[in-house]
Amino acid sequence: QSVLTQPPSASGTPGQRVTISCSGSNSDIGRNTVNWYQQLPGTAPKLLIYSNNERPSGVPDRFSGSKSGTSASLAISGLQSEDEADYYCAAWDDSLNGPVFGGGTKLTVL
Amino acid sequence: QVQLQESGPGLVKPSETLSLTCAVSGYSISSGSYWGWIRQPPGKGLEWIGSFYHGGSTYFNPSLKSRVTISVDASKNQFSLKLNSVTAADTAVYYCARRLVGLVRGATSYYMDVWGKGTTVSVSS
Repeated sequence: QSVLTQPPSASGTPGQRVTISCSGSNSDIGRNTVNWYQQLPGTAPKLLIYSNNERPSGVPDRFSGSKSGTSASLAISGLQSEDEADYYCAAWDDSLNGPVFGGGTKLTVL
Repeated sequence: QVQLQESGPGLVKPSETLSLTCAVSGYSISSGSYWGWIRQPPGKGLEWIGSFYHGGSTYFNPSLKSRVTISVDASKNQFSLKLNSVTAADTAVYYCARRLVGLVRGATSYYMDVWGKGTTVSVSS
């Protein structure tokens, strides 16, 4: 069972805006920043958002993140077929001295 | 361009030791940053195994700590994972990754920016 809670699935049609939630606790999201990873089918996770809402070079600005209290969200606007993937949230856990992950959300583009 | 590549046996027998190596190119392990291992059981989510800073401390997931060893060979710019007494529950894709620590807008941020492609390890007799 994953430490952070995400919905198992989400869907949208091309062009739509989709959000994925991530819920944690005071020991992880409540005290530290949140990262999001995109995992395309059969590939390794790729850093999508770091430090709550920062995008690495090359990540389209269609992807954005936010955090409030012990929860965070990933928003994808102008949904495209190539966005179909699994999305994982992660946050640092001070007591673990390591990251904790959400269980992942499978995004389907209808 | 930093690249990581995992290697090791794809099949390990129950009760034996799983051994994997992560070769790093484009960046020297000795230059800094944290490095670590993450795994993903079939059809499941990601689980952090452990991380280290060359010349510094090593940290492990408490759930695996008693069975895990992470070592470094700086001369070959690679690091290794050993997981002993494996069972079927250790069947997973194993990834190595670089972890950065930075100050972003006043907040300390920890994130894994570069991942290897992963290697599948099955535990079976």
